[in-house]
Amino acid sequence: GQNIDQPTEMTATEGAIVQINCTYQTSGFNGLFWYQQHAGEAPTFLSYNVLDGLEEKGRFSSFLSRSKGYSYLLLKELQMKDSASYLCAVRDLNSGYALNFGKGTSLLVTP
Amino acid sequence: DTGVSQNPRHKITKRGQNVTFRCDPISEHNRLYWYRQTLGQGPEFLTYFQNEAQLEKSRLLSDRFSAERPKGSFSTLEIQRTEQGDSAMYLCASSSSTGETTNTEAFFGQGTRLTVV
Repeated sequence: GQNIDQPTEMTATEGAIVQINCTYQTSGFNGLFWYQQHAGEAPTFLSYNVLDGLEEKGRFSSFLSRSKGYSYLLLKELQMKDSASYLCAVRDLNSGYALNFGKGTSLLVTP
Repeated sequence: DTGVSQNPRHKITKRGQNVTFRCDPISEHNRLYWYRQTLGQGPEFLTYFQNEAQLEKSRLLSDRFSAERPKGSFSTLEIQRTEQGDSAMYLCASSSSTGETTNTEAFFGQGTRLTVV
């Protein structure tokens, strides 16, 4: 199985930048995903990394280092609507193609 | 097609009763996943199908849980003799793939919130 760790809660100010870290341990790494989930709603896809480096997508970027078992999600120009839970998920070929999720990081954006 | 559809959205049942949930994936998605999520936690994997074949089941999935995808399209998840600990949000997701690998994300439905009283 995987150990996926991410901070439980973070707070940031509107307009600022925030970085949410995720560390994982897996034997058959086949991709890391970030999802956003607002309270009471379904998770929605944000980003996917399978090779080392930075993937940029508008205000959101995601970084991966496979050798360190580490990823981060970077959110720029924070908006109030970015207040949500951010889920890090890893796919491991040794346990099928399902995503295994961390517990999520609850981000609160304040005025 | 507007995405993954789940019903019912909410279900309240008495302990010991059986419940069944339905998931309609995005058309032509060949992979379908069931997850369970409790408050403050990430989704926990339960089982997944490729077409009609159930390829993997989590150890979390007790004998009271059964899932089917008879024609490789919609899927049902049944919980028999429900317990209070089964109260959770049950999420369905689907994705497409070719060959042995996939680089596409899974799309989630809105979930079925189960409350066992």
